[in-house]
Amino acid sequence: DAEITQSPRHKITETGRQVTLACHQTWNHNNMFWYRQDLGHGLRLIHYSYGVQDTNKGEVSDGYSVSRSNTEDLPLTLESAASSQTSVYFCASSHAGLGNEQFFGPGTRLTVL
Amino acid sequence: QQQVKQSPQSLIVQKGGISIINCAYENTAFDYFPWYQQFPGKGPALLIAIRPDVSEKKEGRFTISFNKSAKQFSLHIMDSQPGDSATYFCAASSGATNKLIFGTGTLLAVQP
Repeated sequence: DAEITQSPRHKITETGRQVTLACHQTWNHNNMFWYRQDLGHGLRLIHYSYGVQDTNKGEVSDGYSVSRSNTEDLPLTLESAASSQTSVYFCASSHAGLGNEQFFGPGTRLTVL
Repeated sequence: QQQVKQSPQSLIVQKGGISIINCAYENTAFDYFPWYQQFPGKGPALLIAIRPDVSEKKEGRFTISFNKSAKQFSLHIMDSQPGDSATYFCAASSGATNKLIFGTGTLLAVQP
């Protein structure tokens, strides 16, 4: 069955370190998204991609970067982790076009000490 | 800037009762309004969605009511069950971008 996976599921790192969170989907979806979930803020869009080599900034992109070298993967990199980036991160994917369902991964809980 | 405002933050309902969660939006360009359900430790999953050309959509015990003039939409869960206990998010998007703007979420607890 097609799916979307994230790794690692849990990560503890130190302030200033570079961290990369992986997202892999097997639906052959063009659209991929990264969100962070924080209490009181819901889900906020970090970066998104509409296809290979395409990346766009979302609402809360400062301190994060993504690259899309193939259809299946959209890794999220924290260049220099900060305590404010402690959060739960969700990756999602969808077909292109209006109203297509976004399928979410299981999430990565990141703690920055 | 919160483009989609959701209330209440938390809700306790007795088994068999009706759960109602409300959302209001500002951007009149929004044309797709989904509701997502999230269980602890899991990613959100699409529950039901509506386009602005209809005022109501029903799927089983779940109904979206949509008021375009008031820029409001709501989720009604009829005959609420303990298994419905979860966090519910409303969202909105415009055009073919498929970029979702989420509300802040409602934690629903259905007591047996």
